[in-house]
Amino acid sequence: GQSLEQPSEVTAVEGAIVQINCTYQTSGFYGLSWYQQHDGGAPTFLSYNALDGLEETGRFSSFLSRSDSYGYLLLQELQMKDSASYFCAVREITSGGSYIPTFGRGTSLIVHP
Amino acid sequence: DSGVTQTPKHLITATGQRVTLRCSPRSGDLSVYWYQQSLDQGLQFLIQYYNGEERAKGNILERFSAQQFPDLHSELNLSSLELGDSALYFCASSVEGGKNEQFFGPGTRLTVL
Repeated sequence: GQSLEQPSEVTAVEGAIVQINCTYQTSGFYGLSWYQQHDGGAPTFLSYNALDGLEETGRFSSFLSRSDSYGYLLLQELQMKDSASYFCAVREITSGGSYIPTFGRGTSLIVHP
Repeated sequence: DSGVTQTPKHLITATGQRVTLRCSPRSGDLSVYWYQQSLDQGLQFLIQYYNGEERAKGNILERFSAQQFPDLHSELNLSSLELGDSALYFCASSVEGGKNEQFFGPGTRLTVL
């Protein structure tokens, strides 16, 4: 079985830095992904970590520690448009050799002026 | 625009009815995933097809079924609809391997009255 835990809501002010944590329990692990979803919109891919360490893409960075079953998404220089839901996701390997994508319940980020 | 299309955008129907949701993946993507997203819920993986064959199955109800056609478009069939089936249904496509980045369509909002 598996589970993903992430905070339900995070608030921050424009220009600040915010970190959204994600812990996972999986019976097989094949990378941690992050997706952004604005209200009523489709999820869009932000980042992927297969190995330990930090991946940076512009204002967004993502970190993974496989030994701690933990990762985080770091958003810098927050802008109002960053207000959205952020989902961490893993791919579990089943006994049959297929991959099951599993998403956390999402963190609602509210950016205040 | 992710390149994934879904029709219809909105669907209103009654309990007990049957509906079909349609998805066309990005050009070149062989994998199609179906997800259900209820209010304040994360993305629940339903089923995945790869090049016409079922690849992985999530918590998909027996009343639901899907298929992928030779032109790679996919359909999700929902039957004996219940009020609790009201949700956003997303289709995503990907190129398997690597980051396994999924590209999501705009979704179909299903309302069961």
